[in-house]
Amino acid sequence: GEDVEQSLFLSVREGDSSVINCTYTDSSSTYLYWYKQEPGAGLQLLTYIFSNMDMKQDQRLTVLLNKKDKHLSLRIADTQTGDSAIYFCAESPNTGNQFYFGTGTSLTVIP
Amino acid sequence: GAGVSQTPSNKVTEKGKYVELRCDPISGHTALYWYRQSLGQGPEFLIYFQGTGAADDSGLPNDRFFAVRPEGSVSTLKIQRTERGDSAVYLCASSLQGELFFGEGSRLTVL
Repeated sequence: GEDVEQSLFLSVREGDSSVINCTYTDSSSTYLYWYKQEPGAGLQLLTYIFSNMDMKQDQRLTVLLNKKDKHLSLRIADTQTGDSAIYFCAESPNTGNQFYFGTGTSLTVIP
Repeated sequence: GAGVSQTPSNKVTEKGKYVELRCDPISGHTALYWYRQSLGQGPEFLIYFQGTGAADDSGLPNDRFFAVRPEGSVSTLKIQRTERGDSAVYLCASSLQGELFFGEGSRLTVL
């Protein structure tokens, strides 16, 4: 499969911004996604970005895509304790309907 | 139902036994995916169905793993002669147009 890498842990204080980073390898990726997984729950789609965009904003979430460097980031503004979860980035290459996931970043929000 | 339903939610079995895991996708979703998630890892692709046929089974680790979707809706993942290394959470997702909707997973423990 494709190589999607993320840092494993991030800790921020409540009210601060969180930035979760991801690098991927397949330059043909059509869509890139951010999923959230709370303890004991399935993955929930947060947002996605099409590969011809470099930024997408959705309420507290901002996705930045640097296609040249194959780097994706998710910024969460005004981070709340309810944002504590594991965040996965995923890419969907143009070759089919495959989705490749990163190892996940565990976000801890300190009250 | 409203979401992807997976049963059982937990399965404990002994090494060498046969196991079936069931996925009931969102009604009308033509694509169905099976992923495996080990502790501390991201979801690992196993197999993808488009309708009744397996469009991509390249992620199945070996011939002990098999999946069916005979009527293009419910899918069953079958694992023969289970091994301790098969212990993981098995995630099912369905899709209509790109976005994956995940179930809560079936946690398999092989003793």
